[in-house]
Amino acid sequence: QKEVEQDPGPLSVPEGAIVSLNCTYSNSAFQYFMWYRQYSRKGPELLMYTYSSGNKEDGRFTAQVDKSSKYISLFIRDSQPSDSATYLCAMSAYSGGSNYKLTFGKGTLLTVNP
Amino acid sequence: NAGVTQTPKFRVLKTGQSMTLLCAQDMNHEYMYWYRQDPGMGLRLIHYSVGEGTTAKGEVPDGYNVSRLKKQNFLLGLESAAPSQTSVYFCASRSRGYTYNEQFFGPGTRLTVL
Repeated sequence: QKEVEQDPGPLSVPEGAIVSLNCTYSNSAFQYFMWYRQYSRKGPELLMYTYSSGNKEDGRFTAQVDKSSKYISLFIRDSQPSDSATYLCAMSAYSGGSNYKLTFGKGTLLTVNP
Repeated sequence: NAGVTQTPKFRVLKTGQSMTLLCAQDMNHEYMYWYRQDPGMGLRLIHYSVGEGTTAKGEVPDGYNVSRLKKQNFLLGLESAAPSQTSVYFCASRSRGYTYNEQFFGPGTRLTVL
C-alpha cells in the first residue's frame, strides 16, 4: 500500500460547482497536511496546510483532516475557471533534527468549464 | 525577490551526455531539494541538502549527483543521461524550523533524453 493515495482524475466540473478532492494515507506519523496547486507548466505552490484534525477555511477553500480515518479533503466552493489546475496533497512527517519528510500524492487534474 | 529560479528551462540530451541543472534561491533558506515529476508518479525526491556543504539521498537518487557549495545554489548533475531520466525537474527550498515550513518551488526544467 502506498503511503499516500490520490485519485488522479481527471475531474471536470461546470463553473460554480462545489469540488471535492481527496487523499488517503497509511502512515500514522504524518503530522502536517497540505494541498499544493500546480498550474500547467508551472511549479507547485502551497494552497493550504493544517496540523490537526478538523476544518480550516480560506476564502472559497476548505481543508479537512480526519486523522482517525487517515483521510484528507479539499473543498472548493463556487469554482472558477481560474481554479483549473492539478491539486497535489502532501503530508509531512518529522524525520529528525529540523528535517521533515514530505510525501506527495500523484495529483488530481481539475478543469472548471465556463 | 525572485524566489526559486532554475536554469535551463528546457533541454534535450542524447543518451550518454552529461549536464548540470542549476537551482538558485534568494530567500536565505537552509534546506534545498531536487524532485522529479513524471506522469502517474507524482513528485519524487531525488536529493536534498540541509545546509551549505551537505547533501543527502532521497527516494530516487540513482544516476544523479548533487552539490551545495554555496547556500543559495543547489546543483543537480546527470553524468550519463538515460531515456528513463526524461522528466520535469523541480527545485524547492525552505527555511529551517522545528515546525513545518512551506517548501517553495521553482518553475521546473523539462528534460528530454533521446
